[in-house]
Amino acid sequence: NAGVTQTPKFRILKIGQSMTLQCTQDMNHNYMYWYRQDPGMGLKLIYYSVGAGITDKGEVPNGYNVSRSTTEDFPLRLELAAPSQTSVYFCASSRIGGEKLFFGSGTQLSVL
Amino acid sequence: GQQLNQSPQSMFIQEGEDVSMNCTSSSIFNTWLWYKQEPGEGPVLLIALYKAGELTSNGRLTAQFGITRKDSFLNISASIPSDVGIYFCAGDYTGNQFYFGTGTSLTVIP
Repeated sequence: NAGVTQTPKFRILKIGQSMTLQCTQDMNHNYMYWYRQDPGMGLKLIYYSVGAGITDKGEVPNGYNVSRSTTEDFPLRLELAAPSQTSVYFCASSRIGGEKLFFGSGTQLSVL
Repeated sequence: GQQLNQSPQSMFIQEGEDVSMNCTSSSIFNTWLWYKQEPGEGPVLLIALYKAGELTSNGRLTAQFGITRKDSFLNISASIPSDVGIYFCAGDYTGNQFYFGTGTSLTVIP
């Protein structure tokens, strides 16, 4: 039962570097999401996708890009890393919108 | 963005005590979810609520979808040390995105 798998678990970036956070799910869920979690805060939605080829912005999309070429994969791209992007990133999926979300174990990212 | 007010922010309780926490919003929600998060892990779903007034249990946990659709409640009965963690509420009214509360940190003293 893999569920939602995120890689890497930890990453340190220098300011201006780029990277891709990987997310894959094996539950054949249509909806996928990227959230960020800052210390003492709830999760904020970055981007979401309702199916392959369809993505849309959430609350905090600036500085990020996504793509959804398959049902299983939903990578998150940081193009020019900034210290404000230091956070823990969670990928999640759900069968349809408005239904329970299943989360991955997170990627802890530090931008120095 | 949508604000969910979750209270209390933290709780320190004796093992065996009951726990209550709640979440309120300014918007009417169609779905409420309750999650538990432990250090270094992703949130794990505890209970999902889909109808106003709904009362759902999962072992010692019971959650309710408020009849105004602007609030939800989570109760934990007879707490044990493994209940330690941060509890989050999440609500959705768009069908596309869930908004999360800022969490209730629970410490259980043996």
